[in-house]
Amino acid sequence: DSGVTQTPKHLITATGQRVTLRCSPRSGDLSVYWYQQSLDQGLQFLIQYYNGEERAKGNILERFSAQQFPDLHSELNLSSLELGDSALYFCASSVDMGSYNEQFFGPGTRLTVL
Amino acid sequence: AQSVTQLGSHVSVSEGALVLLRCNYSSSVPPYLFWYVQYPNQGLQLLLKYTSAATLVKGINGFEAEFKKSETSFHLTKPSAHMSDAAEYFCAVSYRGSTLGRLYFGRGTQLTVWP
Repeated sequence: DSGVTQTPKHLITATGQRVTLRCSPRSGDLSVYWYQQSLDQGLQFLIQYYNGEERAKGNILERFSAQQFPDLHSELNLSSLELGDSALYFCASSVDMGSYNEQFFGPGTRLTVL
Repeated sequence: AQSVTQLGSHVSVSEGALVLLRCNYSSSVPPYLFWYVQYPNQGLQLLLKYTSAATLVKGINGFEAEFKKSETSFHLTKPSAHMSDAAEYFCAVSYRGSTLGRLYFGRGTQLTVWP
């Protein structure tokens, strides 16, 4: 158990819909990362937050957005869903922003768009 | 730009045999390097990381990796495979000197261990 929790574990929805994925980082970790894992693209970095502020963006679509709340949990919002958004979405946390830090990964949310 | 190449999307070994999973990186400056393992239906777990101390890094579950700057490689090895090692393995890098910490992952290598 990494100490990072993600809910829900599975999500099945239809095209055009909007969903919210939730992540709680390890106790004491200030940095949260979101990654998407798909067969086509592999593991891709989406976005990073540190202590409530957005710090880096990767290959994140404009239809996707995220935020980190004062209690440090984070949410990833996916809207106008398309079939190609079906993937495993991971949240990871680390103690700070240092690139040498280990990132602890949650179990992921599997999103299926029908 | 950083990139990571894992040679061999699938590797099969017999139980007790040597495990060798290959990872090469492309960067003008040696990055921080990580190996993660993913068991079915689970998140990623760190096996080991290289942050410029010793070039031979020992990790969990008997795995180790050697950083070779001249070859821009960070191959993962284990002397004797166990059935429980069957999983997908990811090599990842992050920028040195960056305060951002994002990871760039290779495409992964699926390890199968035969009895």
